[in-house]
Amino acid sequence: GNSVTQMEGPVTLSEEAFLTINCTYTATGYPSLFWYVQYPGEGLQLLLKATKADDKGSNKGFEATYRKETTSFHLEKGSVQVSDSAVYFCALKGSYIPTFGRGTSLIVHP
Amino acid sequence: DTAVSQTPKYLVTQMGNDKSIKCEQNLGHDTMYWYKQDSKKFLKIMFSYNNKELIINETVPNRFSPKSPDKAHLNLHINSLELGDSAVYFCASSQDSGTEGTEAFFGQGTRLTVV
Repeated sequence: GNSVTQMEGPVTLSEEAFLTINCTYTATGYPSLFWYVQYPGEGLQLLLKATKADDKGSNKGFEATYRKETTSFHLEKGSVQVSDSAVYFCALKGSYIPTFGRGTSLIVHP
Repeated sequence: DTAVSQTPKYLVTQMGNDKSIKCEQNLGHDTMYWYKQDSKKFLKIMFSYNNKELIINETVPNRFSPKSPDKAHLNLHINSLELGDSAVYFCASSQDSGTEGTEAFFGQGTRLTVV
């Protein structure tokens, strides 16, 4: 079956530091890949997505590239802000059911 | 206009009670889901409906029963609540019908506390 593995948190960074959150997946076929963000007390929101190999998704300074050869979709941001503190979920969707990773908590200090 | 709305946002109830959580989406999507999020933020799919038909029912106690009166609604009824049912329950929807690449839209969640 499909599965998503992402690095465990929490990830703790100072403001303006570089962020990487690793995500790898196992899937049959050619799924679409997503990063969602969950702020405290809220539901998940789509952050970015990529639908085929070598696509790069980007939004709000975050980027991730669909790497079929390494089955990865790592999330990066060049300079994080305190307001980026949240839980980040990597996900894939092949058929009907989105499959989520366990989530990575990001804490950014001023 | 809220795309996916759940009610109530908070629900505190005693063990053994029966409760329902309602979910509505105004996006015209044909697939709706219920997820359970535990205290470590792990999201577990519980049910998925496509055009009012159940298409997945993961390993969930039969005390949990989803009901989809129409494409825009997917309610969750829970009988004989147990302490272990305490969690945040999320409703979500997406447009599928064989189309890949479509993201899921989530409601704000219902925090259920069983005492």
